[in-house]
Amino acid sequence: EPEVTQTPSHQVTQMGQEVILRCVPISNHLYFYWYRQILGQKVEFLVSFYNNEISEKSEIFDDQFSVERPDGSNFTLKIRSTKLEDSAMYFCASSEGQPNQPQHFGDGTRLSIL
Amino acid sequence: AQKITQTQPGMFVQEKEAVTLDCTYDTSDQSYGLFWYKQPSSGEMIFLIYQGSYDEQNATEGRYSLNFQKARKSANLVISASQLGDSAMYFCAMREGLSGTSYGKLTFGQGTILTVHP
Repeated sequence: EPEVTQTPSHQVTQMGQEVILRCVPISNHLYFYWYRQILGQKVEFLVSFYNNEISEKSEIFDDQFSVERPDGSNFTLKIRSTKLEDSAMYFCASSEGQPNQPQHFGDGTRLSIL
Repeated sequence: AQKITQTQPGMFVQEKEAVTLDCTYDTSDQSYGLFWYKQPSSGEMIFLIYQGSYDEQNATEGRYSLNFQKARKSANLVISASQLGDSAMYFCAMREGLSGTSYGKLTFGQGTILTVHP
């Protein structure tokens, strides 16, 4: 069964450094998302991406964040200057776009900021 | 106000018994969808079941069923014949605005940790 893949599974970065989290969505999916989950808390929406542009973003997704789909397969989340509070699990998800179709999640990247 | 409320931080169930995980939601949209995801200790998010606001019948997927009560704005997950492998965190999530322009972001509840005892 096709799945969303995320790399790396764990990223450790010094505060202030840039980090890029990578995702390969399911190939026929049209909508892409990033979510984050701070340890022990609920999953929070960051951004959605459709037709090569951001379609919606949350308050969390400030100027330090950006997303890109540099080629036909990868979908990346960049954090320009990481802060301690960026430490979380980051999930990429994709969907076909039909309202009744679920978003399929990757296994997540655990980001640890030191 | 919370859009998704899961009032049970933790639930315990005996193996082979059924368990209900509660979820209430708040939306002014007429068209929306409700999802349940399972998150094992390994961390991945696994889709379990979907219920659309206009679906007349409660959704079922194998041992999972959704007790959808639209007037009460509740969408409780029922797991029948619990197995040890069902021990995990369970999240209820909502997608709003399905009838208009919607890019389908999910809003999650706080989750319920389910522990299945042998």
